[in-house]
Amino acid sequence: EDKVVQSPLSLVVHEGDTVTLNCSYEVTNFRSLLWYKQEKKAPTFLFMLTSSGIEKKSGRLSSILDKKELFSILNITATQTGDSAVYLCAVRDTDKLIFGTGTRLQVFP
Amino acid sequence: SAVISQKPSRDICQRGTSLTIQCQVDSQVTMMFWYRQQPGQSLTLIATANQGSEATYESGFVIDKFPISRPNLTFSTLTVSNMSPEDSSIYLCSAGDTGGSYEQYFGPGTRLTVT
Repeated sequence: EDKVVQSPLSLVVHEGDTVTLNCSYEVTNFRSLLWYKQEKKAPTFLFMLTSSGIEKKSGRLSSILDKKELFSILNITATQTGDSAVYLCAVRDTDKLIFGTGTRLQVFP
Repeated sequence: SAVISQKPSRDICQRGTSLTIQCQVDSQVTMMFWYRQQPGQSLTLIATANQGSEATYESGFVIDKFPISRPNLTFSTLTVSNMSPEDSSIYLCSAGDTGGSYEQYFGPGTRLTVT
C-alpha cells in the first residue's frame, strides 16, 4: 500500500531556530514530491522535487529529495512566528497526490 | 500558477440535505481534483474530475454520495448528498496539468458543518 510518513508530528521552537522536517515514502509509481504549507484552509504550494540531490530554495526555506533512500527534508532557517503552520508532504503516484499526516510547527517569540 | 476560487467558503447544513460546491480556475487545466480534510486529519482524495466523462472515484467514495461535474476545462462542482454529521469537513478543489510532473494548486476550501 502506498504511504507517506512525516516526522515529527509536532514541533515547538523559538524564533531564530532552524528546523528540519522529514518525509519518507513508499509509492509504486513515483513522479514527484511536493511540499505545502497549510495555515487555515488551503495548502499553499512551496516546492516540487523530481530529481535526487538538487536543492530547491526559496528564501529561508529549502528542500531536497533522495530517491534512493525514499525521503525528503524541508529546512527552515531563522524561523519566524509567521512560519507557524502545518507542513504537508505529498507524493505524486501517476496523477494522484498521496499526502502525509503533516508536521505542525509552532514558532514562539 | 493557477488561481482557484471556491463557493461557498463555508456552510452549515442540516442532515439529509445536499450541498453543491463550485470550483473555478482562472486558466484551462487538464486535471481537477476534489479532496476532503476531516478535523485534525490530512487530505484525502475523493475523486478526479474528468472533463467530458464521469469522475474517477477513490476507494471509499461513490458517485451517489459525491456526484461531480466537469463541464469544461476551468470549472467543476462537487455535491455532498444526503449529508450526515460525519460529512463535516473541509472540501478542497485542486488543479494542475498533466505531463509527468506538475505543480498542483489548491482552492481556499469550503468548510462544511452538518448538524
